[in-house]
Amino acid sequence: DAGVTQSPTHLIKTRGQHVTLRCSPISGHKSVSWYQQVLGQGPQFIFQYYEKEERGRGNFPDRFSARQFPNYSSELNVNALLLGDSALYLCASSLRLTEAFFGQGTRLTVV
Amino acid sequence: AQSVAQPEDQVNVAEGNPLTVKCTYSVSGNPYLFWYVQYPNRGLQFLLKYITGDNLVKGSYGFEAEFNKSQTSFHLKKPSALVSDSALYFCAVRDIRDDKIIFGKGTRLHILP
Repeated sequence: DAGVTQSPTHLIKTRGQHVTLRCSPISGHKSVSWYQQVLGQGPQFIFQYYEKEERGRGNFPDRFSARQFPNYSSELNVNALLLGDSALYLCASSLRLTEAFFGQGTRLTVV
Repeated sequence: AQSVAQPEDQVNVAEGNPLTVKCTYSVSGNPYLFWYVQYPNRGLQFLLKYITGDNLVKGSYGFEAEFNKSQTSFHLKKPSALVSDSALYFCAVRDIRDDKIIFGKGTRLHILP
């Protein structure tokens, strides 16, 4: 069985640019969540989508947005990148209120 | 507000000895608790969960965790540590209001050969 897949695995962007990160959940999972993990810290919740609707939003600026597609895959978009956006971005899929399964993450470096 | 605390930044244990990684939580209502492990440059791997039932939960790779409601703790344990257990461990709680997972800051576990 395929796990959660994220793309790309690494990327480098310049301040002010825009980035799109992608996630494919485990087959049958309708919930996708996004987390930001800054070096040395635990993951911080950004968004949660269930059945293509936003069900939760963390304390992140409006530069961060996301969506979920009919096949339950998801995109995370970040506009006007800042140096502080450099982090490991993790996608998780789950059935509601059970354990979440995480992808390997996308390492974003903003220079 | 829901929260998780991992009081130790780092835990050092000799190979073959028992290990404990501590976690306390604060939730309104019944807690949904998890432990995850992270190896360098990797995502999070699920170890075990407590939803309801027995207070001693068994998980992957020989790990187990003890849920203690009166002490609001969910400590991770293993009877005999392996060098390969060296990694970053996260305790987490699920907020049932919006389904988000709240993580502790992590505890780095070093198993000494």
